[in-house]
Amino acid sequence: ETAVFQTPNYHVTQVGNEVSFNCKQTLGHDTMYWYKQDSKKLLKIMFSYNNKQLIVNETVPRRFSPQSSDKAHLNLRIKSVEPEDSAVYLCASSPFSQNTLYFGAGTRLSVL
Amino acid sequence: GEKVEQHQSTLSVREGDSAVINCTYTDTASSYFPWYKQEAGKSLHFVIDIRSNVDRKQSQRLTVLLDKKAKRFSLHITATQPEDSAIYFCAASPSGGSNYKLTFGKGTLLTVTP
Repeated sequence: ETAVFQTPNYHVTQVGNEVSFNCKQTLGHDTMYWYKQDSKKLLKIMFSYNNKQLIVNETVPRRFSPQSSDKAHLNLRIKSVEPEDSAVYLCASSPFSQNTLYFGAGTRLSVL
Repeated sequence: GEKVEQHQSTLSVREGDSAVINCTYTDTASSYFPWYKQEAGKSLHFVIDIRSNVDRKQSQRLTVLLDKKAKRFSLHITATQPEDSAIYFCAASPSGGSNYKLTFGKGTLLTVTP
């Protein structure tokens, strides 16, 4: 049963708009992540975040920013979307000192 | 940085046969190797993993083999069933096992035909 919840499932927008995606996990995990999965299914880490530390993949454009209110929530904001941002954004979480990732169902973004 | 290659983009087997998916990695510091499964239209979920202190791990119909010398690891599925059909991703991360440093392969689409 899914315990990492992402909204929305789909989002269609135009170049230059701002979008925000939400992610909530009910597993009590300490660390959350955002991954980007492109049209060829390639997965790339974007951010890793726990209460103490945000790690940013240096290849992620600055228009992307994570936002967290507590350890159960990690949202993703894109300030001004570009066509190459079209992808599926996957949120995940993992417990402290364990490696297994628990993924949400993803948010599919289409930029027109 | 680490590069993980999955050499088969697709693999088709008949129900009941075995399937083997192969991956290679480049970083000798990698020590944690998980596999994830993504069924059509769904998200990823963990299936099995192996750490570099062993060369074999089995869980029911799944076995992972690790050859550190060749920097190669593989997922073996026996007695395949149609529900095994999915994209399988291998991944590798260095010692310490930080998920942030987990590098995924491009995925292998396994199709099990009845």
